[in-house]
Amino acid sequence: AQSVTQLDSHVSVSEGTPVLLRCNYSSSYSPSLFWYVQHPNKGLQLLLKYTSAATLVKGINGFEAEFKKSETSFHLTKPSAHMSDAAEYFCVVSGVSGGSYIPTFGRGTSLIVHP
Amino acid sequence: DAGVIQSPRHEVTEMGQEVTLRCKPISGHDYLFWYRQTMMRGLELLIYFNNNVPIDDSGMPEDRFSAKMPNASFSTLKIQPSEPRDSAVYFCASSSRGGTEAFFGQGTRLTVV
Repeated sequence: AQSVTQLDSHVSVSEGTPVLLRCNYSSSYSPSLFWYVQHPNKGLQLLLKYTSAATLVKGINGFEAEFKKSETSFHLTKPSAHMSDAAEYFCVVSGVSGGSYIPTFGRGTSLIVHP
Repeated sequence: DAGVIQSPRHEVTEMGQEVTLRCKPISGHDYLFWYRQTMMRGLELLIYFNNNVPIDDSGMPEDRFSAKMPNASFSTLKIQPSEPRDSAVYFCASSSRGGTEAFFGQGTRLTVV
């Protein structure tokens, strides 16, 4: 079985300040991990992915995430928030379940960026 | 490739009517997923296919929901009869193999009145 916990339902930051969105996962096997972003009334776009290579993963729009196996975490960070970063962010784990890989989503974190 | 294509983008229907949502996955992808997104429950996996075969439909909420994948380039999700609580955004996604990222369509916003 696998699961994802996004520790914050909402995160509020000021423009230009750092962003931290937290994600913990549980998986019976070595998982693949992803972050997706969803802007209002839009589909889901892949931000970055971890698939057992480098533990620090860089994605689009200045985001990065670090895979920490000992902490079962995959937190998303960005040094400086922009207004355009305001969106819903989903942490996803994809590990073997019943012989197949199934992406399992967290509940999402809403990022609010203040001017 | 144009990405995952879903149709229609919006659907408004009356309670009791049949609704069919359509999805064209990315060519060459052999996994296809149907998700439902609501405010209350977030993103839920309804069913997924591997090489056109349904593998796990345990997320399908009721017998009113059914999904098919007659070939590698087309899938449908049908609700019959529809109910107001089925109102949600339904996403289709595909991936090339297990463990790789899933590519999502733009979703179908279903409103049942």
